[in-house]
Amino acid sequence: AQKVTQAQTEISVVEKEDVTLDCVYETRDTTYYLFWYKQPPSGELVFLIRRNSFDEQNEISGRYSWNFQKSTSSFNFTITASQVVDSAVYFCALSESGSEKLVFGKGTKLTVNP
Amino acid sequence: NAGVMQNPRHLVRRRGQEARLRCSPMKGHSHVYWYRQLPEEGLKFMVYLQKENIIDESGMPKERFSAEFPKEGPSILRIQQVVRGDSAAYFCASSPQASFGGELFFGEGSRLTVL
Repeated sequence: AQKVTQAQTEISVVEKEDVTLDCVYETRDTTYYLFWYKQPPSGELVFLIRRNSFDEQNEISGRYSWNFQKSTSSFNFTITASQVVDSAVYFCALSESGSEKLVFGKGTKLTVNP
Repeated sequence: NAGVMQNPRHLVRRRGQEARLRCSPMKGHSHVYWYRQLPEEGLKFMVYLQKENIIDESGMPKERFSAEFPKEGPSILRIQQVVRGDSAAYFCASSPQASFGGELFFGEGSRLTVL
């Protein structure tokens, strides 16, 4: 069975702090994709990143970075020097081979205070 | 993503009424997905459609819920005889092809409140 766990329900930081959002997944497939989506207060879901199961290289995009570790079934997301505009709910999601479905975690609400 | 249009953004219904939610996918996209977000929960898959075909409805409740994606016009998610537990945000997403591993483009959601 596939499952995504985001243990942190809410995180509050002060601007310019670094913050890491945890994501742990479960799957029996060897081929799968992992995603992160951002849901700002306006409500839409914004795609941030996709990573396939065969690519464990970490990725950096500006202030965002992702750490994928198959050994611990984790796909963590770090925001460096956080800004107020980063305040949102962040969802981690999993897609298994041959499936059109995304399985989402419950999300982590990040609040960045000025 | 502004390209996927959902309406209405907010819908209020009384118990027993019908709710119809519409989704126009991004131009050129022929694959549509509906997800439901209950309060304090992540999104849960409901149904995947291509033009005129339901491909996977394994996440749809067995009764009162139906979805269609006609040859012309938007995809529609219909909920008959709504109950309070149907109160949720319903998100539509589209893709130009089968999405495994690919990016889904989400709309802003339709928020249904059942009184």
